[in-house]
Amino acid sequence: AQKITQTQPGMFVQEKEAVTLDCTYDTSDQSYGLFWYKQPSSGEMIFLIYQGSYDEQNATEGRYSLNFQKARKSANLVISASQLGDSAMYFCAMREPVDFRGSARQLTFGSGTQLTVLP
Amino acid sequence: DGGITQSPKYLFRKEGQNVTLSCEQNLNHDAMYWYRQDPGQGLRLIYYSQIVNDFQKGDIAEGYSVSREKKESFPLTVTSAQKNPTAFYLCASSIGASGTGELFFGEGSRLTVL
Repeated sequence: AQKITQTQPGMFVQEKEAVTLDCTYDTSDQSYGLFWYKQPSSGEMIFLIYQGSYDEQNATEGRYSLNFQKARKSANLVISASQLGDSAMYFCAMREPVDFRGSARQLTFGSGTQLTVLP
Repeated sequence: DGGITQSPKYLFRKEGQNVTLSCEQNLNHDAMYWYRQDPGQGLRLIYYSQIVNDFQKGDIAEGYSVSREKKESFPLTVTSAQKNPTAFYLCASSIGASGTGELFFGEGSRLTVL
C-alpha cells in the first residue's frame, strides 16, 4: 500500500522569502508519479507541479520547484519569493502505477500543510 | 471553458435521507473520481470510474453509491447507511492511461447533516 507523509501541519513564512514544504512517500513500485496541489480556503484543488519517478531533473513551474530525492523517498515543494496569495493548504500526492484494466490512475494524498504567508 | 461542474455547492440533509451530488465534465476525460475531505485532513477516495457503465470502490465506499451512464457524468449518492456524511466532497477527472495521472477537480460540494 502506498503512503504519503506530510509532517508539517502548519508553516509560516515571511512575504518574499522562500519556503520548503516536506513530503515523504512509501512505495515498492518503480514507476510512480508525485504531485503537489494547492487548496485555498474556497476549497478548489489547484495543480501545481508533477514529478515522474524516472525524471532525472527536478520539476519546476514558475515559483514552484520540486526537490526530488528518490533514494530518500522525498518530494519536497519549494516556493520561492512567497506572496500573500500563497496562503493555503498544500497537499502532496502520489499516483499508483497504471491499472492495465482501464484508464483510471488513483492518487493517494497526504494530510496537508497549512501555509501562512506573513506581510 | 472546459472543466468540471459540481452541484450543489452547499447541501443540508436530515438524518436518514439520501442525497445525490452532481458532477459533470466537458473535458472528454475517460476517468472520473469522487473524494471525501474532512476538516484538516487529506482526500480519501470513495469511488472511481474508468469507462461508462463501469466503476470501482475506493478506500471508503461504504454508504455511498455511484453511476456512470454517460462519459460526462458521475453522480454520487450519499445514502442513509453512511454513518458520518458531513464532509466536503470533491469530484475529479483525468485523461486516462496516456496522461501523467493529473486530476482536474471541481469546486466541491459541502454536505452538512442536520
